[in-house]
Amino acid sequence: GAGVSQSPSNKVTEKGKDVELRCDPISGHTALYWYRQSLGQGLEFLIYFQGNSAPDKSGLPSDRFSAERTGGSVSTLTIQRTQQEDSAVYLCASSIGTGGETQYFGPGTRLLVL
Amino acid sequence: RKEVEQDPGPFNVPEGATVAFNCTYSNSASQSFFWYRQDCRKEPKLLMSVYSSGNEDGRFTAQLNRASQYISLLIRDSKLSDSATYLCVVQQGYSTLTFGKGTMLLVSP
Repeated sequence: GAGVSQSPSNKVTEKGKDVELRCDPISGHTALYWYRQSLGQGLEFLIYFQGNSAPDKSGLPSDRFSAERTGGSVSTLTIQRTQQEDSAVYLCASSIGTGGETQYFGPGTRLLVL
Repeated sequence: RKEVEQDPGPFNVPEGATVAFNCTYSNSASQSFFWYRQDCRKEPKLLMSVYSSGNEDGRFTAQLNRASQYISLLIRDSKLSDSATYLCVVQQGYSTLTFGKGTMLLVSP
């Protein structure tokens, strides 16, 4: 079966532009997570969706960041008015969602803000 | 204090060597513990979960010391293919994972 997929794999944008990053979780996984990994840094939690519950947005670094998950499947992470410090790899993960189980990561989107 | 701390390395070892990584975590409420492996420019992948009683998977042994809030990973008979960054990960309840910055391992011929 297919794993977690993300698109685009690479994105170069200019400072101030908006970007949308997409994540397709593993079919049947109810939990979906977004993380980012900056150069030389560990993974930083951004947002978590579980089924139809309100998302845990506690990791979003500013109000320029938002995410949606439509139909309990595909998720889009939007960064408005991008800044150079937003440059990072944005990783999406999904899990079955019953709690404490393995998270499977997508290949990530490498975002570069010029 | 960082939530999950690891020695960044790199650890340079010859093939066949035994190498150990350590990790400490600050949140005593942490319930689940993992080691993930991340190859260069790739996504993290689960290597193994860490149980209180300690667990082994082939050449890999993981141990947890809750009293000291300390996790370890031992790799025996290192292979070239073990070269990667090893991420210590903790989880509170059934939610998000908190990652350490990773320890880089380089295994040389």
